Amino acid sequence: AQSVTQLGSHVSVSEGALVLLRCNYSSSVPPYLFWYVQYPNQGLQLLLKYTTGATLVKGINGFEAEFKKSETSFHLTKPSAHMSDAAEYFCAVRGQAGTALIFGKGTTLSVSS
Amino acid sequence: GAVVSQHPSRVICKSGTSVKIECRSLDFQATTMFWYRQFPKKSLMLMATSNEGSKATYEQGVEKDKFLINHASLTLSTLTVTSAHPEDSSFYICSALRRANYGYTFGSGTRLTVV
Repeated sequence: AQSVTQLGSHVSVSEGALVLLRCNYSSSVPPYLFWYVQYPNQGLQLLLKYTTGATLVKGINGFEAEFKKSETSFHLTKPSAHMSDAAEYFCAVRGQAGTALIFGKGTTLSVSS
Repeated sequence: GAVVSQHPSRVICKSGTSVKIECRSLDFQATTMFWYRQFPKKSLMLMATSNEGSKATYEQGVEKDKFLINHASLTLSTLTVTSAHPEDSSFYICSALRRANYGYTFGSGTRLTVV
């Protein structure tokens, strides 16, 4: 079975500061890993995903994540936060091909000026 | 790119009535569709998985008779909330999968309020 744990339900940073959102996963098969962002009353927007190959994945809006198998982690980072980054972020894992994504509980990112 | 259209975006209905939510893949054929429910400030909870032409597979604890899912074609899946009650009020999101190793495309969600 697959599961995702997002450490920290709420992260607050100042504009221009480093953003670090933590995600640990559990999977019985080699995982595909995803990060999504959600703005209020909207659907999910894919930030980036890891399937196979390079473990450092670059996504949209300056975000990146690194797959670390030994640590079962897939943390999301951005060097410099913008006010527009304030949103809900979800980490998700897929196990076997064709199955649903399983989501973590989400992390709310707040950015202050 | 792959686009999934979900309608309606918002719906208010009276307690006891039924509501149908549509999820349509506009530019690809979706072999599998997934339905999620999201409570306020909560994660997305998988409700069911549907494959075209087959009965949906529901997650444990999801009432099959209340949440009817139909996937009659490769481009359309519907979720019908039957005899809706206030506790069914939530944000429902669909996700479509083109092929097993292709990406997941999400609808924009439906905010259901039962009064």
